[in-house]
Amino acid sequence: DTEVTQTPKHLVMGMTNKKSLKCEQHMGHRAMYWYKQKAKKPPELMFVYSYEKLSINESVPSRFSPECPNSSLLNLHLHALQPEDSALYLCASSARGDTEAFFGQGTRLTVV
Amino acid sequence: GQQVMQIPQYQHVQEGEDFTTYCNSSTTLSNIQWYKQRPGGHPVFLIQLVKSGEVKKQKRLTFQFGEAKKNSSLHITATQTTDVGTYFCAGGRDGGYNKLIFGAGTRLAVHP
Repeated sequence: DTEVTQTPKHLVMGMTNKKSLKCEQHMGHRAMYWYKQKAKKPPELMFVYSYEKLSINESVPSRFSPECPNSSLLNLHLHALQPEDSALYLCASSARGDTEAFFGQGTRLTVV
Repeated sequence: GQQVMQIPQYQHVQEGEDFTTYCNSSTTLSNIQWYKQRPGGHPVFLIQLVKSGEVKKQKRLTFQFGEAKKNSSLHITATQTTDVGTYFCAGGRDGGYNKLIFGAGTRLAVHP
C-alpha cells in the first residue's frame, strides 16, 4: 500500500467553526507533513512530524493545530479560520527525512 | 533563507517538441527531488538526485543535478499530451529532515 489517504476531500466551513483534517498512511513512514497550496502556487510547508513528534513548525498561526496520535495518523485541527486560509491542504509522508515524499490527494478547504 | 528559483513559469509546446525546466538554489542542496502535479491533482514524486553531477533518465525524461549541487534541470524529449501538468523541483537540506523547499513550478501545456 503506497497510499496516503486524506479525508475529507472537500470541506466548507464558517469562520467560527472547528473542524479537523485527517491523514493516514500504512507505509511505515516515520516522517509526516502538512502542506498548504494556493492555486497556481507551489506547496508551502506548514508542519513536520518525525517519529510522532513535532519537529518543524513553519511559523503557522495557532488557528492551525497539528496532532500525530500514532505513527500512521496525522490530524490538522482548524479553528477560527479566515477566508484567506482557503486552499488545498496536502498531507505527505516519507520513510526518512531525506527520501521521496508521498502526497495524499488533499483536502480542498473553503472558509466562508 | 533558502530559496529555490524555477524557470520558466509557463511553457506552451506543440506535441513532439522538447521541453526543459530549470531550478537554481541559493544554497547547496543535499538532494533535489522532482514532482509532477496534474491539473486538479496532487504532487507525484518523479525522481531524487543526490550526487554532484548526477544524471538520471526515465524514458523520455532526463534529470540533471549540477556539479555544485545548486542547480538542476528536467528535460522532456518529444512531449506528449500526457505530459501536461506542473513540474516542481524541491530542494532538500541537510539535517535529516525532509524540509523540501519547492520551486514555483513550471506549468506545461502541450498542444496536439
